[in-house]
Amino acid sequence: SQKIEQNSEALNIQEGKTATLTCNYTNYSPAYLQWYRQDPGRGPVFLLLIRENEKEKRKERLKVTFDTTLKQSLFHITASQPADSATYLCAQTGANNLFFGTGTRLTVIP
Amino acid sequence: NAGVTQTPKFQVLKTGQSMTLQCAQDMNHNSMYWYRQDPGMGLRLIYYSASEGTTDKGEVPNGYNVSRLNKREFSLRLESAAPSQTSVYFCASSEEGGPLAKNIQYFGAGTRLSVL
Repeated sequence: SQKIEQNSEALNIQEGKTATLTCNYTNYSPAYLQWYRQDPGRGPVFLLLIRENEKEKRKERLKVTFDTTLKQSLFHITASQPADSATYLCAQTGANNLFFGTGTRLTVIP
Repeated sequence: NAGVTQTPKFQVLKTGQSMTLQCAQDMNHNSMYWYRQDPGMGLRLIYYSASEGTTDKGEVPNGYNVSRLNKREFSLRLESAAPSQTSVYFCASSEEGGPLAKNIQYFGAGTRLSVL
């Protein structure tokens, strides 16, 4: 069965630095990998999607990479700000639904 | 647009009581989903509805039933609540959820349920 893992439960970084979050998947490569942001007490919000045949995708200060050899996606936030503090979830597409990782809680320290 | 609306926001039940969680979306999406989120477990799929008129089990369906009332609404019912069903429940919708679809999901704000 599909399994997706986010190895870091929590990550603290200084404001202005680049945050890098890791997502690893097992078994076959998903058609898409997605990243969501979740704030306390709220539902996840979609951020970025990357296709299996894409190596990198960018949106403003966000960058996602997809390495099918390593079975890994990296999510980068450049010039991080305290407002970026949240839990970030990765998800892979399945037959009819998404499989979510457990999330990484990012704290950006001023 | 409201997006995905869930009611109620909070609920406390006693063991054995029943209740229905309501979900509605106004984005004309075909697919809808119910998840539960527990600490350390991430989001786990309970049931989904790929299109109006169909429903299928997800990873953790035991103790739950669903109804896709129409294209907009997808409800989740707990017939006899148990303490193990204490969780945060999220409803989500997507334009399309097939194997080759992007399946970008839009979530409601969640229902925080405690079963005593």
